[in-house]
Amino acid sequence: NAGVMQNPRHLVRRRGQEARLRCSPMKGHSHVYWYRQLPEEGLKFMVYLQKENIIDESGMPKERFSAEFPKEGPSILRIQQVVRGDSAAYFCASSPITGANTGELFFGEGSRLTVL
Amino acid sequence: AQSVTQLDSHVSVSEGTPVLLRCNYSSSYSPSLFWYVQHPNKGLQLLLKYTSAATLVKGINGFEAEFKKSETSFHLTKPSAHMSDAAEYFCVVSPTGTASKLTFGTGTRLQVTL
Repeated sequence: NAGVMQNPRHLVRRRGQEARLRCSPMKGHSHVYWYRQLPEEGLKFMVYLQKENIIDESGMPKERFSAEFPKEGPSILRIQQVVRGDSAAYFCASSPITGANTGELFFGEGSRLTVL
Repeated sequence: AQSVTQLDSHVSVSEGTPVLLRCNYSSSYSPSLFWYVQHPNKGLQLLLKYTSAATLVKGINGFEAEFKKSETSFHLTKPSAHMSDAAEYFCVVSPTGTASKLTFGTGTRLQVTL
């Protein structure tokens, strides 16, 4: 029973490039969440998606960041024109419908973005 | 509004001695509370959760936590530390009955020494 799969695990980009992070939720989970962890900090909520819908993007920066969860395929977090401050670990989590109400999420191992 | 305060950023214990990681919360609603553990370069794993049932919650790997409404606390304990417990621990709050938007504490790094 595969857990939440994220790739790439490590990504290095130069300033101004684009970063794409992918997340496949656990089998049977229809809800996906993205969290960002800056060095020495806790995780901060970014966005909550269901298939083809963004439910809550209140934690997403207004510019350069976007997320999608298409009908087919993984969820993608896209960061355009990356800056050094985007260097962080980006965690994806998924839940079944019940988890959306209780807060119990299943996390992937994260994608660590380094911007040079 | 909700928030979580982890009172210690770093805790060091000897192997075989008790572990206490402290957490206080603030929530406008009756909250769900969680402890997650993160080992180096790994994802987060759920240790235990409180969702308004029993106030003493037992989790994996011998950990437990007690919900004390009067003290707004949800401290994590373990009777005897093991070297494999060395990790970062996050206390998390979520408003019950709403879509998930967890609020994480800043974490407590647990060091276990021989």
